[in-house]
Amino acid sequence: DQQVKQNSPSLSVQEGRISILNCDYTNSMFDYFLWYKKYPAEGPTFLISISSIKDKNEDGRFTVFLNKSAKHLSLHIVPSQPGDSAVYFCAASGMSGSARQLTFGSGTQLTVLP
Amino acid sequence: ETGVTQSPTHLIKTRGQQVTLRCSSQSGHNTVSWYQQALGQGPQFIFQYYREEENGRGNFPPRFSGLQFPNYSSELNVNALELDDSALYLCASSPTGRLNYGYTFGSGTRLTVV
Repeated sequence: DQQVKQNSPSLSVQEGRISILNCDYTNSMFDYFLWYKKYPAEGPTFLISISSIKDKNEDGRFTVFLNKSAKHLSLHIVPSQPGDSAVYFCAASGMSGSARQLTFGSGTQLTVLP
Repeated sequence: ETGVTQSPTHLIKTRGQQVTLRCSSQSGHNTVSWYQQALGQGPQFIFQYYREEENGRGNFPPRFSGLQFPNYSSELNVNALELDDSALYLCASSPTGRLNYGYTFGSGTRLTVV
């Protein structure tokens, strides 16, 4: 039972254009959503987050949108740069006992072409 | 400020053996979580430690166990290794209650069970 889904395993975008990565979730108890970027041989690096009470959060070139009624969030990267090429994971935060647990999607490989 | 460090980086074990993986938290972080990332999937929550106690566990059997020490460093122990335990094991630390910037992950330990 996948509670967080990233349905696109890969995405290619031209440098300078917008990259849009999508994520769907099923559990309405999640109260925080995060995006992580992962390069090979490194751990995931936190990118941006959004509380479930907001619908948008922006940080430089990165914007996350949350549509609670559709249980859908997206990450927009504008403009895309070759250094953005990495695997992007969507994660949802919720409680597991007394612990705050992250539930991850399976990731989307973003390739930004020069 | 040092990040999260994990050791060893790579490990090969035989089915049925036991393994111990180690993690040093980022300075100031008192909560440690462990995740298992199988090939082509997102990280999966194993358990979390806070104040040297396990305070939450994902869907993993009891042969996965852990420890947290007074300096907040942590160990993950896996007994009776199975082939399916082959994965990247990630340690993540966080200061309690700070969600807005996510968890800090280490680079992981790549475990291969043969």
